[in-house]
Amino acid sequence: EVQLVESGGNLVQPGGSLRLSCAASGFTLSDHYMDWVRQAPGKGLEWVGRTRNKANSYTTEYAASVKGRFTISRDDSKNSLFLQMNSLKTEDTAVYHCARVGGGGGDSYAFDIWGQGTMVTVSS
Amino acid sequence: DIQMTQSPSTLSASVGDRVTITCRASQSISSWLAWYQQKPGKAPKLLISKASSLESGVPSRFSGSGSGTEFTLTISSLQPDDFATYYCQQCNSYSITFGQGTRLEIK
Repeated sequence: EVQLVESGGNLVQPGGSLRLSCAASGFTLSDHYMDWVRQAPGKGLEWVGRTRNKANSYTTEYAASVKGRFTISRDDSKNSLFLQMNSLKTEDTAVYHCARVGGGGGDSYAFDIWGQGTMVTVSS
Repeated sequence: DIQMTQSPSTLSASVGDRVTITCRASQSISSWLAWYQQKPGKAPKLLISKASSLESGVPSRFSGSGSGTEFTLTISSLQPDDFATYYCQQCNSYSITFGQGTRLEIK
Protein backbone atom coordinates (compact mmCIF):
# COMPACT_ATOMS: atom_id res chain seq x y z
CA GLU A 1 0.00 0.00 0.00
CA VAL A 2 1.26 3.46 -0.92
CA GLN A 3 1.42 5.45 2.31
CA LEU A 4 2.97 8.48 4.01
CA VAL A 5 3.19 8.72 7.80
CA GLU A 6 4.38 11.88 9.55
CA SER A 7 5.81 12.13 13.03
CA GLY A 8 7.65 14.56 15.27
CA GLY A 9 5.00 17.16 15.96
CA ASN A 10 5.04 18.69 19.42
CA LEU A 11 4.59 21.78 21.55
CA VAL A 12 7.58 24.13 21.21
CA GLN A 13 8.33 27.64 22.46
CA PRO A 14 8.70 30.58 20.07
CA GLY A 15 12.25 30.70 18.75
CA GLY A 16 12.65 26.95 19.19
CA SER A 17 13.33 24.19 16.69
CA LEU A 18 11.63 20.97 15.67
CA ARG A 19 12.29 18.25 13.11
CA LEU A 20 9.42 16.47 11.42
CA SER A 21 9.73 13.14 9.65
CA CYS A 22 7.67 11.52 6.93
CA ALA A 23 8.01 7.79 6.31
CA ALA A 24 7.09 6.63 2.82
CA SER A 25 6.08 3.12 1.92
CA GLY A 26 4.83 1.34 -1.16
CA PHE A 27 6.83 3.42 -3.64
CA THR A 28 10.39 4.54 -4.37
CA LEU A 29 10.91 7.92 -2.74
CA SER A 30 13.83 8.89 -5.00
CA ASP A 31 11.55 8.87 -8.06
CA HIS A 32 9.25 11.57 -6.71
CA TYR A 33 9.08 15.23 -5.87
CA MET A 34 7.92 15.58 -2.25
CA ASP A 35 6.34 18.57 -0.55
CA TRP A 36 5.25 19.78 2.84
CA VAL A 37 1.87 21.49 3.21
CA ARG A 38 0.49 22.92 6.43
CA GLN A 39 -2.92 23.83 7.76
CA ALA A 40 -3.39 26.17 10.71
CA PRO A 41 -6.31 25.33 13.00
CA GLY A 42 -9.58 26.15 11.24
CA LYS A 43 -7.76 27.58 8.22
CA GLY A 44 -6.95 26.56 4.67
CA LEU A 45 -4.01 24.79 3.09
CA GLU A 46 -0.63 26.51 2.76
CA TRP A 47 2.29 25.16 0.74
CA VAL A 48 5.54 25.09 2.73
CA GLY A 49 8.17 23.72 0.38
CA ARG A 50 9.40 21.10 -2.06
CA THR A 51 12.30 18.77 -2.69
CA ARG A 52 12.67 17.51 -6.22
CA ASN A 53 13.67 13.97 -7.07
CA LYS A 54 17.10 12.41 -7.60
CA ALA A 55 16.94 13.03 -11.36
CA ASN A 56 16.58 16.75 -10.61
CA SER A 57 19.37 16.82 -8.05
CA TYR A 58 17.11 17.06 -5.02
CA THR A 59 16.79 20.83 -5.44
CA THR A 60 14.50 22.59 -2.98
CA GLU A 61 12.02 25.45 -3.01
CA TYR A 62 10.32 27.22 -0.10
CA ALA A 63 7.41 29.50 0.56
CA ALA A 64 8.44 33.05 1.41
CA SER A 65 6.93 32.67 4.88
CA VAL A 66 9.41 29.94 5.85
CA LYS A 67 12.43 30.60 3.65
CA GLY A 68 15.62 30.83 5.68
CA ARG A 69 14.01 29.13 8.69
CA PHE A 70 12.84 25.75 7.35
CA THR A 71 14.91 23.12 5.53
CA ILE A 72 13.62 20.09 3.65
CA SER A 73 15.84 17.04 3.32
CA ARG A 74 15.39 13.42 2.47
CA ASP A 75 17.07 10.05 3.00
CA ASP A 76 16.00 7.92 0.07
CA SER A 77 17.82 4.89 1.47
CA LYS A 78 15.39 5.01 4.41
CA ASN A 79 12.47 6.20 2.28
CA SER A 80 12.14 9.21 4.57
CA LEU A 81 11.50 12.93 4.17
CA PHE A 82 12.31 15.55 6.79
CA LEU A 83 11.37 19.13 7.66
CA GLN A 84 13.78 20.97 9.94
CA MET A 85 12.04 23.99 11.43
CA ASN A 86 14.09 26.66 13.19
CA SER A 87 13.23 30.06 14.70
CA LEU A 88 9.64 28.96 15.08
CA LYS A 89 6.91 31.57 15.39
CA THR A 90 3.40 31.31 16.81
CA GLU A 91 2.06 31.62 13.27
CA ASP A 92 3.79 28.35 12.36
CA THR A 93 1.24 26.50 14.50
CA ALA A 94 -0.43 24.02 12.17
CA VAL A 95 -0.89 20.43 11.11
CA TYR A 96 1.99 19.60 8.79
CA HIS A 97 1.35 17.15 5.97
CA CYS A 98 3.90 15.58 3.66
CA ALA A 99 2.58 14.98 0.15
CA ARG A 100 3.78 13.21 -2.95
CA VAL A 101 3.78 15.05 -6.24
CA GLY A 102 2.30 12.84 -8.92
CA GLY A 103 3.37 12.53 -12.52
CA GLY A 104 6.73 10.91 -11.83
CA GLY A 105 8.64 14.17 -11.75
CA GLY A 106 7.85 17.73 -12.70
CA ASP A 107 6.70 20.91 -11.00
CA SER A 108 3.24 20.98 -12.52
CA TYR A 109 1.56 17.97 -11.00
CA ALA A 110 -0.91 17.61 -8.17
CA PHE A 111 -0.43 15.90 -4.81
CA ASP A 112 -1.65 12.35 -5.31
CA ILE A 113 -0.72 10.95 -1.89
CA TRP A 114 -0.95 12.77 1.48
CA GLY A 115 0.04 11.81 4.98
CA GLN A 116 -2.43 12.26 7.83
CA GLY A 117 -0.36 15.08 9.31
CA THR A 118 1.43 15.88 12.55
CA MET A 119 0.53 18.80 14.82
CA VAL A 120 3.03 21.51 15.63
CA THR A 121 2.09 24.01 18.31
CA VAL A 122 4.30 27.04 18.88
CA SER A 123 3.41 28.69 22.16
CA SER A 124 4.99 29.96 25.34
CA ASP B 1 2.68 34.38 -6.47
CA ILE B 2 -0.45 33.31 -8.31
CA GLN B 3 -3.56 34.03 -6.24
CA MET B 4 -6.45 31.57 -6.31
CA THR B 5 -9.95 32.77 -5.47
CA GLN B 6 -12.68 30.25 -4.80
CA SER B 7 -16.39 30.95 -4.63
CA PRO B 8 -18.58 30.54 -2.79
CA SER B 9 -16.88 30.19 0.60
CA THR B 10 -19.85 28.22 1.90
CA LEU B 11 -22.47 26.35 -0.07
CA SER B 12 -25.65 24.88 1.40
CA ALA B 13 -27.24 22.13 -0.65
CA SER B 14 -29.35 19.00 -0.40
CA VAL B 15 -28.74 15.40 -1.36
CA GLY B 16 -29.41 15.03 -5.06
CA ASP B 17 -28.59 18.66 -5.92
CA ARG B 18 -26.18 19.67 -8.65
CA VAL B 19 -23.54 22.06 -7.33
CA THR B 20 -20.74 24.05 -8.88
CA ILE B 21 -17.69 25.59 -7.23
CA THR B 22 -15.63 28.18 -9.07
CA CYS B 23 -11.92 28.90 -8.85
CA ARG B 24 -10.23 31.86 -10.47
CA ALA B 25 -6.48 32.34 -10.93
CA SER B 26 -4.83 35.76 -10.90
CA GLN B 27 -2.98 34.83 -14.10
CA SER B 28 -3.17 32.06 -16.65
CA ILE B 29 -2.25 28.61 -15.35
CA SER B 30 -3.18 26.72 -18.53
CA SER B 31 -4.80 23.50 -17.23
CA TRP B 32 -2.54 23.07 -14.23
CA LEU B 33 -5.30 22.99 -11.67
CA ALA B 34 -6.27 20.34 -9.14
CA TRP B 35 -9.29 19.88 -6.88
CA TYR B 36 -9.20 18.24 -3.44
CA GLN B 37 -11.83 17.13 -0.96
CA GLN B 38 -11.09 17.35 2.75
CA LYS B 39 -13.13 16.04 5.66
CA PRO B 40 -12.57 17.16 9.27
CA GLY B 41 -9.43 15.71 10.80
CA LYS B 42 -8.41 14.03 7.55
CA ALA B 43 -5.84 14.68 4.84
CA PRO B 44 -7.02 16.20 1.57
CA LYS B 45 -7.93 13.73 -1.16
CA LEU B 46 -7.12 14.41 -4.81
CA LEU B 47 -10.27 14.37 -6.95
CA ILE B 48 -9.27 15.99 -10.23
CA SER B 49 -5.94 16.93 -11.79
CA LYS B 50 -5.06 18.89 -14.92
CA ALA B 51 -8.39 20.70 -14.58
CA SER B 52 -10.57 17.85 -15.82
CA SER B 53 -8.83 14.50 -15.29
CA LEU B 54 -10.75 12.41 -12.77
CA GLU B 55 -8.53 10.43 -10.43
CA SER B 56 -8.92 6.67 -10.26
CA GLY B 57 -11.64 5.62 -7.83
CA VAL B 58 -13.33 9.03 -7.71
CA PRO B 59 -17.06 8.80 -8.53
CA SER B 60 -18.09 10.02 -11.96
CA ARG B 61 -20.54 12.53 -10.44
CA PHE B 62 -17.46 14.73 -9.92
CA SER B 63 -16.23 16.67 -12.94
CA GLY B 64 -13.89 19.57 -13.60
CA SER B 65 -13.60 22.04 -16.42
CA GLY B 66 -11.84 25.22 -17.44
CA SER B 67 -8.49 26.52 -18.54
CA GLY B 68 -6.49 29.72 -18.29
CA THR B 69 -7.92 31.56 -15.31
CA GLU B 70 -11.43 30.16 -14.80
CA PHE B 71 -12.20 26.69 -13.48
CA THR B 72 -15.18 24.83 -12.09
CA LEU B 73 -15.79 21.72 -10.04
CA THR B 74 -19.24 20.23 -10.50
CA ILE B 75 -20.93 17.51 -8.47
CA SER B 76 -23.84 16.29 -10.56
CA SER B 77 -25.95 14.71 -7.80
CA LEU B 78 -24.83 15.28 -4.22
CA GLN B 79 -24.46 12.24 -2.02
CA PRO B 80 -24.24 12.27 1.80
CA ASP B 81 -20.51 11.47 1.63
CA ASP B 82 -19.83 14.62 -0.43
CA PHE B 83 -20.40 17.12 2.38
CA ALA B 84 -16.88 18.34 3.01
CA THR B 85 -14.53 21.23 2.20
CA TYR B 86 -13.17 21.55 -1.32
CA TYR B 87 -9.93 23.26 -2.35
CA CYS B 88 -8.52 24.20 -5.71
CA GLN B 89 -4.76 24.31 -6.21
CA GLN B 90 -2.67 25.75 -8.98
CA CYS B 91 0.30 23.63 -10.06
CA ASN B 92 1.51 25.96 -12.78
CA SER B 93 4.75 26.56 -10.94
CA TYR B 94 6.51 25.17 -7.91
CA SER B 95 5.24 28.13 -5.88
CA ILE B 96 1.98 26.34 -5.26
CA THR B 97 -1.08 28.15 -4.00
CA PHE B 98 -4.50 26.96 -2.89
CA GLY B 99 -7.90 28.56 -2.95
CA GLN B 100 -9.32 29.46 0.43
CA GLY B 101 -11.74 26.53 0.35
CA THR B 102 -15.46 25.99 -0.13
CA ARG B 103 -17.36 24.38 2.71
CA LEU B 104 -20.23 22.29 1.33
CA GLU B 105 -22.87 21.83 4.00
CA ILE B 106 -26.21 20.15 4.25
CA LYS B 107 -29.18 22.45 3.78
